[in-house]
Amino acid sequence: RKEVEQDPGPFNVPEGATVAFNCTYSNSASQSFFWYRQDCRKEPKLLMSVYSSGNEDGRFTAQLNRASQYISLLIRDSKLSDSATYLCVVGPNTDKLIFGTGTRLQVFP
Amino acid sequence: GAVVSQHPSRVICKSGTSVKIECRSLDFQATTMFWYRQFPKKSLMLMATSNEGSKATYEQGVEKDKFLINHASLTLSTLTVTSAHPEDSSFYICSARSTSGRGDTQYFGPGTRLTVL
Repeated sequence: RKEVEQDPGPFNVPEGATVAFNCTYSNSASQSFFWYRQDCRKEPKLLMSVYSSGNEDGRFTAQLNRASQYISLLIRDSKLSDSATYLCVVGPNTDKLIFGTGTRLQVFP
Repeated sequence: GAVVSQHPSRVICKSGTSVKIECRSLDFQATTMFWYRQFPKKSLMLMATSNEGSKATYEQGVEKDKFLINHASLTLSTLTVTSAHPEDSSFYICSARSTSGRGDTQYFGPGTRLTVL
């Protein structure tokens, strides 16, 4: 079983749609959780950290379920500029980060 | 957010040559930097953790004699791919760990695309 698993997609959604990604992780000792965004042939950029209580940043909402070992990312009112690959990242701490292979999102007009 | 630069952004070299990649944290000091490698359609894989003033810690399966890491200052880490071969062609990305006012997380450089002929 992979340490961090994501549905590779692609998710093709129209502008304005709401889309959700899930990610599961295998190491129950994980303490750090993030969503990164990676554009084609570019470096990953931090989208948001994920906290146990769940957190929101504008149109983006992240949730963590420790009991089931999964993390979710919800994007509301999708924009064309949201098209990218979304990486689920987990670690025992911020040093040892394990990256998922990413979920590709394509937002169309 | 924090700024991390990498140089060069792209390099093409002949098999057997060595390639040096620099990673700099531009607006913060990073005692810890990380080197990753990403093959097409694959996830980032951590190669090694670079600590300022001490030896790097390599992940299992990464040859330390082939991938030389030096972290001589709080803002600079270098990765040298020695005697590069075509199978070393990849996207190499560094990151720097910031703990000062930005939360504890890693910020990534723009990456270096290495092609070994």
